[in-house]
Amino acid sequence: AQTVTQSQPEMSVQEAETVTLSCTYDTSESDYYLFWYKQPPSRQMILVIRQEAYKQQNATENRFSVNFQKAAKSFSLKISDSQLGDAAMYFCAYRGPRANQGGKLIFGQGTELSVKP
Amino acid sequence: NAGVTQTPKFRVLKTGQSMTLLCAQDMNHEYMYWYRQDPGMGLRLIHYSVGEGTTAKGEVPDGYNVSRLKKQNFLLGLESAAPSQTSVYFCASLQDPYGVLTFGAGSRLTVL
Repeated sequence: AQTVTQSQPEMSVQEAETVTLSCTYDTSESDYYLFWYKQPPSRQMILVIRQEAYKQQNATENRFSVNFQKAAKSFSLKISDSQLGDAAMYFCAYRGPRANQGGKLIFGQGTELSVKP
Repeated sequence: NAGVTQTPKFRVLKTGQSMTLLCAQDMNHEYMYWYRQDPGMGLRLIHYSVGEGTTAKGEVPDGYNVSRLKKQNFLLGLESAAPSQTSVYFCASLQDPYGVLTFGAGSRLTVL
């Protein structure tokens, strides 16, 4: 069975600095999808970034980028120029490649990011 | 606004009581999901549905039942609530198995 592991329960970063959140996963598939979600105190789940495993280029969305290491099964999230509004719980998630897998996501345990002014 | 609506947002139950959480989406999505969120454990899939009239078990289905009689609604039932079911419950929907999930705002359930 696929698993997703976030080994950092909490992280802290100074405003305007850069922080990297770690995520590893286990799968026997060669193609799959990976996601990072942000959950602010409002509890709403917000998609931050998405990566298809067949794409070698790392995905980026403004200040957010990923370091996708397929062989190491690692998918870290880098937040540049951190802002107070980045403070949230961040979840890494995996989705398998086949339609008959139901499109469901498998989530990691989450990393609580705090941003210091 | 289009999206996923969960009802109720908060509920307190006593052990042994029953209740139903309602998830409604107005985007004509085929796929719907129920997750529970607990501290240190992320979101875990309870049940899901790949279309009207279908349901399937997720990672933690015990103690829950679901129904998808109408495409837009996905109901999560607790027949006999237990304190271990105290959690925040999220519903989500998806148009196709490769798309982006749309989440509801969550429902906080406390079982005393």
